[in-house]
Amino acid sequence: RKEVEQDPGPFNVPEGATVAFNCTYSNSASQSFFWYRQDCRKEPKLLMSVYSSGNEDGRFTAQLNRASQYISLLIRDSKLSDSATYLCVVIQTNGGSQGNLIFGKGTKLSVKP
Amino acid sequence: GAGVSQSPSNKVTEKGKDVELRCDPISGHTALYWYRQSLGQGLEFLIYFQGNSAPDKSGLPSDRFSAERTGGSVSTLTIQRTQQEDSAVYLCASSSTGQAPYGYTFGSGTRLTVV
Repeated sequence: RKEVEQDPGPFNVPEGATVAFNCTYSNSASQSFFWYRQDCRKEPKLLMSVYSSGNEDGRFTAQLNRASQYISLLIRDSKLSDSATYLCVVIQTNGGSQGNLIFGKGTKLSVKP
Repeated sequence: GAGVSQSPSNKVTEKGKDVELRCDPISGHTALYWYRQSLGQGLEFLIYFQGNSAPDKSGLPSDRFSAERTGGSVSTLTIQRTQQEDSAVYLCASSSTGQAPYGYTFGSGTRLTVV
């Protein structure tokens, strides 16, 4: 089983739609969770953190379910500019190490007019 | 500069040649990661530097790959005897605290093509 798994998509949705992505992780000792956004042929950029209590940033809501070992990202009122690949990121720490960022392969979202 | 700078932005090399990729992190950032991303794939961890600690080299795919970080600042990733499967975008990221990914900023990458 891969450490971090995402549905690659693509998710093709009309403008204004609500879309949700899930990401599962295999290491129950994973510490921190994030969503990154990567535009075509660009570098990844941090979108938002994922807190145990769930957190919201405008149209974006992130949630963590430790029991089932998944995180989710919900995008409401999709915009054309939301079209991108969304990468799930998990941090695993090992003893004194600062840990690694483990990236999922990403979920591609395409928002159509 | 304000961001992470990588050079060259594009590199085409012949199979069997050595290449050096450079990463200039944000000034003062102590943590530095190298990743590579093949077409349509996720990011693959290569190596991690944190301050003066020994680097975590666990992601380097073969002994043809090496990296160093001089003076805790600039890092170079060297690929010897390049192969076609080395073709990818090589991304560098740096952070001030090592508390990823807060403050982690990616460079725009070096697109390596081995022909």
